[in-house]
Amino acid sequence: NAGVMQNPRHLVRRRGQEARLRCSPMKGHSHVYWYRQLPEEGLKFMVYLQKENIIDESGMPKERFSAEFPKEGPSILRIQQVVRGDSAAYFCAVAAAAQETQYFGPGTRLLVL
Amino acid sequence: GQNIDQPTEMTATEGAIVQINCTYQTSGFNGLFWYQQHAGEAPTFLSYNVLDGLEEKGRFSSFLSRSKGYSYLLLKELQMKDSASYLCAETGKSTFGDGTTLTVKP
Repeated sequence: NAGVMQNPRHLVRRRGQEARLRCSPMKGHSHVYWYRQLPEEGLKFMVYLQKENIIDESGMPKERFSAEFPKEGPSILRIQQVVRGDSAAYFCAVAAAAQETQYFGPGTRLLVL
Repeated sequence: GQNIDQPTEMTATEGAIVQINCTYQTSGFNGLFWYQQHAGEAPTFLSYNVLDGLEEKGRFSSFLSRSKGYSYLLLKELQMKDSASYLCAETGKSTFGDGTTLTVKP
């Protein structure tokens, strides 16, 4: 994964709570992609950010989900009022530039009780 | 859209060669990635094809035909540890196929 950090690795939330997932790219990789993977399914694109800018959020649910990548600090995927259907693995991938190789972080496994 | 199609499952024997195909819609195409994902782990990068032709990297090779919207991943001298899901992905819209689960048997 070339040094991409994600935390927490596992997150348990009750329905209605908020989940915050963090992704810290390695130096020189300012393009961040978030994906969701349901059990036994493929990766689904959610959002693409490039330092302080959302480039493409076509895969993000319209409600409860938001993402940011501030000038300082990690990229954050925020899920408000979680529901059981949000239980999934959330991966971030980072790239040095658009259309270049994406390197995946270890993922955050979210479980909503 | 950028639909990507690949077989759901494949089975092969240790030491053999297996080819995993991937087809995609060509509109807005930039390049094609192949990733390997073991169960419960993150995807790891295998190859990236932008131009037509074959890219060889050790036991793994990947082929691309832009005009046909077709790619394949070729795995030679299969090992048990190659049992995993293989994901084909198009870079223009970061679209991934659902993956091909490869099972290598002794």
